[in-house]
Amino acid sequence: GAVVSQHPSRVICKSGTSVKIECRSLDFQATTMFWYRQFPKQSLMLMATSNEGSKATYEQGVEKDKFLINHASLTLSTLTVTSAHPEDSSFYICSARESNYGYTFGSGTRLTVV
Amino acid sequence: SQQGEEDPQALSIQEGENATMNCSYKTSINNLQWYRQNSGRGLVHLILIRSNEREKHSGRLRVTLDTSKKSSSLLITASRAADTASYFCATGTGANSKLTFGKGITLSVRP
Repeated sequence: GAVVSQHPSRVICKSGTSVKIECRSLDFQATTMFWYRQFPKQSLMLMATSNEGSKATYEQGVEKDKFLINHASLTLSTLTVTSAHPEDSSFYICSARESNYGYTFGSGTRLTVV
Repeated sequence: SQQGEEDPQALSIQEGENATMNCSYKTSINNLQWYRQNSGRGLVHLILIRSNEREKHSGRLRVTLDTSKKSSSLLITASRAADTASYFCATGTGANSKLTFGKGITLSVRP
C-alpha cells in the first residue's frame, strides 16, 4: 500500500530556532499534501494544504510566515517552523492524497521547544 | 474547524466484546472515513463510506451512515487488546477535498 514517510519523528529545539519537518510519499506521487497539528488528547487540526509547484493554502488563524510550507516535488513537502517558541510544541502530522479519496498519513513528528 | 463529534469520548470494554463508536457531523458530505491512531503515531485509514452508501463492512469493522441524521457509527466486533487506540471520523465534501476530523474516541480493550 501507499506509504508516507515523515521525518524526524522527534525533535527538541531551542526557543528562537527553526525546525524543518519532511514528508515524503515513497511509492506514489502526491500533488497534494496536508499538514496537521495535534495537541495531546485532541483531534487533528488542519494547518495548510500543500500543492506541488504552487503556494500552500493556509487555514484561518495559521501564520504563513511562521509555518513555511514548500512542496517542490511530487514526492516531498516540508514544513518549517520558524523562530519556534514553547507554544509551538505539538505533534505535527502530514498526509498525502494518493487517489480521489485515499489519504495516507505519516507517522508524525513530536516537536518540543525548550 | 471541526466537523465531526464522536461519542462516547472514551470507551472501555473487555476483550471479545463489541465496541460501538458514533460520529455526528454538521454539513453535507461526500464521504466519511474512520481512522485509527495509536498513541504518538500517525493515522491509519480503516474504512470509507460514501454519502450514497448506508453500510460497509471490512473484516471485523462495520460502518453505517445515516445522512438524514448526519451520523455514522463504527462497530468493531470481537474486540482485541490490540484494538486499543484512538478512533477518529473524518468527513470530506468532495473527491479532492480536505478532510475535517472529529474529536476522537479513546478505546481501551482490557485483556
